[in-house]
Amino acid sequence: RKEVEQDPGPFNVPEGATVAFNCTYSNSASQSFFWYRQDCRKEPKLLMSVYSSGNEDGRFTAQLNRASQYISLLIRDSKLSDSATYLCVVNVLRSRALTFGSGTRLQVQP
Amino acid sequence: EAGVAQSPRYKIIEKRQSVAFWCNPISGHATLYWYQQILGQGPKLLIQFQNNGVVDDSQLPKDRFSAERLKGVDSTLKIQPAKLEDSAVYLCASSIDWGLSTDTQYFGPGTRLTVL
Repeated sequence: RKEVEQDPGPFNVPEGATVAFNCTYSNSASQSFFWYRQDCRKEPKLLMSVYSSGNEDGRFTAQLNRASQYISLLIRDSKLSDSATYLCVVNVLRSRALTFGSGTRLQVQP
Repeated sequence: EAGVAQSPRYKIIEKRQSVAFWCNPISGHATLYWYQQILGQGPKLLIQFQNNGVVDDSQLPKDRFSAERLKGVDSTLKIQPAKLEDSAVYLCASSIDWGLSTDTQYFGPGTRLTVL
């Protein structure tokens, strides 16, 4: 079983749509959680951290359910520029390297 | 602020040849990571340095891969000899410190390796 599992997609949505991505992780000792964004042929970049209480950054909302070991990302009012691969990421210890999922590809269409 | 620098950006070699990649982290960042990203997958950690010491190299194929960060600043990753399955993007990342509250890792643009 993979440590971090994501639906690879692609998710094809029209502009203005709301889209949600889900992710599960296997290590219950995971302590930090993130969503990274990766554009085609570019490096990953931090989109947002994910907290147990849930957090929002503009059109993006992230949720964490520690009991179910489940992380989600909601994008509202999708823009063409949101087209990218979204990587679910966990960190077992604050000082250790990140474990990435394989990513979910989003294509926003005009 | 300058980001993480990597070179070369692209490299094509034949199997059994050797190759080396270079990374210069963001100034002042104590921790440096090398990741391997195979097409269609997320990045996978190869090795993590804290200053010039190795913190984690458990996923580094040590029979063919080696890495060093001698002066605690820039780093080199080497593959010798390369196999077809080593074709991937090699990403270098750095973070300011492993003991502080920030967990943000900053990635370089990567080196895209093709082994023929």
